[in-house]
Amino acid sequence: SQQGEEDPQALSIQEGENATMNCSYKTSINNLQWYRQNSGRGLVHLILIRSNEREKHSGRLRITLDTSKKSSSLLITASRAADTASYFCATDLNDYKLSFGAGTTVTVRA
Amino acid sequence: DGGITQSPKYLFRKEGQNVTLSCEQNLNHDAMYWYRQDPGQGLRLIYYSQIVNDFQKGDIAEGYSVSREKKESFPLTVTSAQKNPTAFYLCASRRGGQSYEQYFGPGTRLTVT
Repeated sequence: SQQGEEDPQALSIQEGENATMNCSYKTSINNLQWYRQNSGRGLVHLILIRSNEREKHSGRLRITLDTSKKSSSLLITASRAADTASYFCATDLNDYKLSFGAGTTVTVRA
Repeated sequence: DGGITQSPKYLFRKEGQNVTLSCEQNLNHDAMYWYRQDPGQGLRLIYYSQIVNDFQKGDIAEGYSVSREKKESFPLTVTSAQKNPTAFYLCASRRGGQSYEQYFGPGTRLTVT
């Protein structure tokens, strides 16, 4: 079953703008991860945040985690055309499996 | 060049035929996974294996079978019992232990007519 739900389903922004997407989940997690998928390709791991962390940065990526609200957000700053992709959150319940949401499709316009 | 390979990239089969999708990794990872992705949807777990000679059903195992005879290989067979097999299939691996990230192959797009 899919535990994570991303919002919005699709996002279109101008190059240079920031993109924010959210993920909500239902049960307690061990960690939450974000992945990127370019069209027709496999997923690429972007960043992981553990349940006892609130914020992490990696380059132009910033993710937050609010375990009380069971939600996470991914911010991509200063977007580029190469950021055009689908972004998925995945929750790890510490049972060797990940549960993926349906994803947010981001289009960066030049 | 380490990574996960899936072959072929595109596969076409007639209804009623079994088909086997290949997944190989040279990352020395313990765990391997098979997911199915339908258009506009997320990934759904079919089967996973934490160690050689052991595997567990995921959320949508019906109509699929796997084997894990070698650490490097985790082939998926889509049987004729799978009602709607046309989809994009992704294989992934994970080192295990306290390492939680999964590494994905490029995927195989299966079309059954």
